This record gives sequence, C-alpha cells and structure tokens, in this order.
Amino acid sequence: DVKVTQSSRYLVKRTGEKVFLECVQDMDHENMFWYRQDPGLGLRLIYFSYDVKMKEKGDIPEGYSVSREKKERFSLILESASTNQTSMYLCATAVTGRTEAFFGQGTRLTVV
Amino acid sequence: QQQVKQSPQSLIVQKGGISIINCAYENTAFDYFPWYQQFPGKGPALLIAIRPDVSEKKEGRFTISFNKSAKQFSLHIMDSQPGDSATYFCAASTTYYGGSQGNLIFGKGTKLSVKP
Repeated sequence: DVKVTQSSRYLVKRTGEKVFLECVQDMDHENMFWYRQDPGLGLRLIYFSYDVKMKEKGDIPEGYSVSREKKERFSLILESASTNQTSMYLCATAVTGRTEAFFGQGTRLTVV
Repeated sequence: QQQVKQSPQSLIVQKGGISIINCAYENTAFDYFPWYQQFPGKGPALLIAIRPDVSEKKEGRFTISFNKSAKQFSLHIMDSQPGDSATYFCAASTTYYGGSQGNLIFGKGTKLSVKP
C-alpha cells in the first residue's frame, strides 16, 4: 500500500511565523503535490513537483514556497503565516503516466 | 476553462436510495475523470475513474456515467448505505507523457449523508 505521511495532524501557529509542513512518501512516486482544502472551495493546488529539485506553481501559490531535496520528501513553507492561511493542507503523490493521486491524512493548520 | 463544476453541494438520501452527483467541465483536453471519496479526518481516496472512450463504468454499487458531447459526468451510488456518508469530489485532468504529471482539477465537493 502507498503510504503518504504528513508530519502533523494539527498545528497552531502565530501570525508572522515561518511554518513548515512536511510530507513523506514510501512508494518512489515521481510526482508530489500540495493542496489546500477549504469548505465550499474544494481542493486547490498550491504547488507540485515532478522530480527532485523541480517545482511548479499551482493555482494558488501566493504566500507559499516548496522544497524537494529528496524524492520521498516534499515540504510546504509558509514564509510568514497569515490568518487567511488557516486551512486543511493535503499532500498527494502520483506516478508519472498514471493519474491516480494518493493523499495523506492532512494537516489542519490554524494561524492565530 | 479549467474549472470543474460539481452539484449539489450537499445531498441527503435514505438508506437503499440512489445518490446522484453531477459534474461538468469545459476543457475538451481533459481525458481522465476520477471520483474521490473523503471520510472525516482522512485524505481523499480514489473511488472510481473513467476515460472518455467509454460512456459508463461500474464498480459494485458505484457507477460513473459520462456524456462527452455534453461535457458532463456523474456518479451514481446504488442502494446507498450509511457507510457511504462522506464528501465526494469529482476531478478531471489531462495526461501528459514524458514530462510533468497532469494535474487534477477538483470540483468543490458534495457532502453526502445517508439516513438509516
């Protein structure tokens, strides 16, 4: 079974803090994604990566950056957290050429 | 043109009934249409998917109906059970080869409640 592990289930951070969300996968998938999930808005793509050190912006990259130094790990960085970044963050992986995405359990981030 | 429009936002069905969720898209380059199921506290998981070369795909009680000319697809859950209560997302993507993975464009989700 594919396992996608997000480092925290719940996180509370203060406005202005630098926040790191970590995602690790154990299935050697080339592609990794960060989504944000908000009620009534569905899942929106923040960033994705199709190879180590490669990244591309999704639909809502503003206020976020990412890092992928190793194939199995994809980090989402909030440079200066703001209250409008309070949300559920979901990491996903996929194999190139196959479109099924495997999701982690999510990190519910609250910025106060 | 990248949007996937999903309806209804919420749905209440009696046990044993049929649940129907609809999605519409505009980008004719989309060639993969999955449905994801998400239980509270969990990440979404692939439920069933279809490609546009077929008009229907059935897996157990779950069926996708696909209308290419209308650019619409729907999920039908037959004999709905309380255990089916979850949020359902439709999605669409374009498959790329030799480069970056086609990104999934998600609908906004439908919260299904099946009453016993």
